[in-house]
Amino acid sequence: DVVMTQTPVSLSLAIGQPASISCKSSQSLLGTSGKTFLNWILQRPGQSPKRLIYQVSKLYSEVPDRFSGSGSETEFTLKISRVEAEDLGVYYCWQGTHFPYTFGAGTKLELK
Amino acid sequence: QIQLVQSGPELKKPGESVKISCKASGYTFTDYAMNWVKQAPGNGLKWMGWINTQTGKPTYADDFKQRFVFSLETSASTAYLQINNLNIEDTATYFCTRSGSGYWGQGVMVTVSS
Repeated sequence: DVVMTQTPVSLSLAIGQPASISCKSSQSLLGTSGKTFLNWILQRPGQSPKRLIYQVSKLYSEVPDRFSGSGSETEFTLKISRVEAEDLGVYYCWQGTHFPYTFGAGTKLELK
Repeated sequence: QIQLVQSGPELKKPGESVKISCKASGYTFTDYAMNWVKQAPGNGLKWMGWINTQTGKPTYADDFKQRFVFSLETSASTAYLQINNLNIEDTATYFCTRSGSGYWGQGVMVTVSS
């Protein structure tokens, strides 16, 4: 199975600060289709996960543009340009290239 | 709008079975596969597998091949997850999530306790 390793485990930031989360996969997530199925989701406290980014860098329509995703092959990054209160929760990367799909362990974003 | 609405919380005893539902609306049910994801208390997310909503064929991750059954009621745009012979380790929240476009249900908390 593809192991997804997220760092850091937690982040404590003030509103307005930038955030960066790393996600590394144990094998390349570039699929035979030429697409890389690396996704980011946010789980706010007590809620179900919400979609953020798909195929490394594509934001879903409702996601604010302070979020961005980048990377390729095995190394990926989620960035928030300026953290807002609604951004707190646990961020997960997950891959949909190889079966079984696998998730990172999560990065908890707390507000300072 | 697209929604996945799941059934309510369940409290079961070890050895019993549970069947939870995921009702889709706002799109053509058979256009997208449905995945199931487990989240044990305080833990991360684990993909259980998926079901082809056109053919009904399920695919299970290795840890979920023995007591877990994915099924459909296509006429009702509903996917089901059944867990047989429940044990304490099945205590978790179970999410359905649609393939493509990242929609998630609200989750179903299943508690297994004697």
